[in-house]
Amino acid sequence: EDKVVQSPLSLVVHEGDTVTLNCSYEVTNFRSLLWYKQEKKAPTFLFMLTSSGIEKKSGRLSSILDKKELFSILNITATQTGDSAIYLCAALNQGAQKLVFGQGTRLTINP
Amino acid sequence: DAGVIQSPRHEVTEMGQEVTLRCKPISGHNSLFWYRQTMMRGLELLIYFNNNVPIDDSGMPEDRFSAKMPNASFSTLKIQPSEPRDSAVYFCASSQGTPSYEQYFGPGTRLTVT
Repeated sequence: EDKVVQSPLSLVVHEGDTVTLNCSYEVTNFRSLLWYKQEKKAPTFLFMLTSSGIEKKSGRLSSILDKKELFSILNITATQTGDSAIYLCAALNQGAQKLVFGQGTRLTINP
Repeated sequence: DAGVIQSPRHEVTEMGQEVTLRCKPISGHNSLFWYRQTMMRGLELLIYFNNNVPIDDSGMPEDRFSAKMPNASFSTLKIQPSEPRDSAVYFCASSQGTPSYEQYFGPGTRLTVT
């Protein structure tokens, strides 16, 4: 059965800290790994990673995929209170054409 | 760009009642997904359609759940009869192309069954 596991499940830090969120996966016919940010409403897309070892950046957020060890990390530097959210990772099973989501990491940034 | 539209945004109903959730995907998107999110189980895929055809409904919990997509711009998820354990946020998402990847989520319907 396809599985995506995120850690930690919950994280509380102070504004300005750097955080690393982890995502490991076991998915048949794996194609890509996606990161989403979920605040009060629907998940919004952050990154899609398909190639191993190539970092993707968007402002203070960056992410990288390791297809040999089957994991991805999401880094957030100089965190701000607006970064508080649930961060979801999802692996795309190309054969079944569907995303398998992890449980999410609830990140809280305190001022 | 209206995004994915879901209705109602909130639904409170009594156990045993029929519930119908509605979704309008982004125009031009050919894949539509129904998800359920709870604290215990996270985000779970219930069913998805490609070009209005159900492709994978293995996530549908039981026969009480059914979904239809009569055309490219409308889908429904029905629960009959509803039970308290169905209480959750139900998201609809759509994407373009196959295999689908960047899925755009609607605002969700928060369902409470008492």
